[in-house]
Amino acid sequence: DQQVKQNSPSLSVQEGRISILNCDYTNSMFDYFLWYKKYPAEGPTFLISISSIKDKNEDGRFTVFLNKSAKHLSLHIVPSQPGDSAVYFCAASEGNAGKSTFGDGTTLTVKP
Amino acid sequence: EAGVTQFPSHSVIEKGQTVTLRCDPISGHDNLYWYRRVMGKEIKFLLHFVKESKQDESGMPNNRFLAERTGGTYSTLKVQPAELEDSGVYFCASSPFWTGGTYRYTFGSGTRLTVV
Repeated sequence: DQQVKQNSPSLSVQEGRISILNCDYTNSMFDYFLWYKKYPAEGPTFLISISSIKDKNEDGRFTVFLNKSAKHLSLHIVPSQPGDSAVYFCAASEGNAGKSTFGDGTTLTVKP
Repeated sequence: EAGVTQFPSHSVIEKGQTVTLRCDPISGHDNLYWYRRVMGKEIKFLLHFVKESKQDESGMPNNRFLAERTGGTYSTLKVQPAELEDSGVYFCASSPFWTGGTYRYTFGSGTRLTVV
């Protein structure tokens, strides 16, 4: 059974608006969460992360929110730009395990 | 610094043949990971090297898959014999040694393997 789920396969937003990508997890031992962005024919690239001791982390236009009680995290992109169009993967890891568990990805399309 | 390099970028082989994928991590990165994405689904963990040692190989699907990391530098992933379900994109990633917590990965561009 998948431990990290991204229930929206795709999302389309208008340039300048907010993009909200969601991720749910089931393993309560996960304590570090990451978002990666992937363009076609490229590998995923790290975007932003958050530790379980925090509930928010911000980096420029990107903010990740963590709700531990709901086992839910979200990535907010404000304002969205056409160059943000990509597949976004949520990932989670446990302690010093090293490996990460990924979701299926959400394809974001930002329309000019 | 040079990124993570994977070779080949594409490979098409027949069922029953052998294929070897190669990954050159970022120089100095002790951690090297192999992941696989099948049919546009999640990116699944295969195994984790710390230097030349296998730290975790819990994600390896079966004994047709063999991974090595010579001298703690580059790594190879061999599939022998290949089956149709082995098709997918194989990603390699590396990260520096950590003393606590989890570092983010740098991924290679992947090898797209098609078994026909």
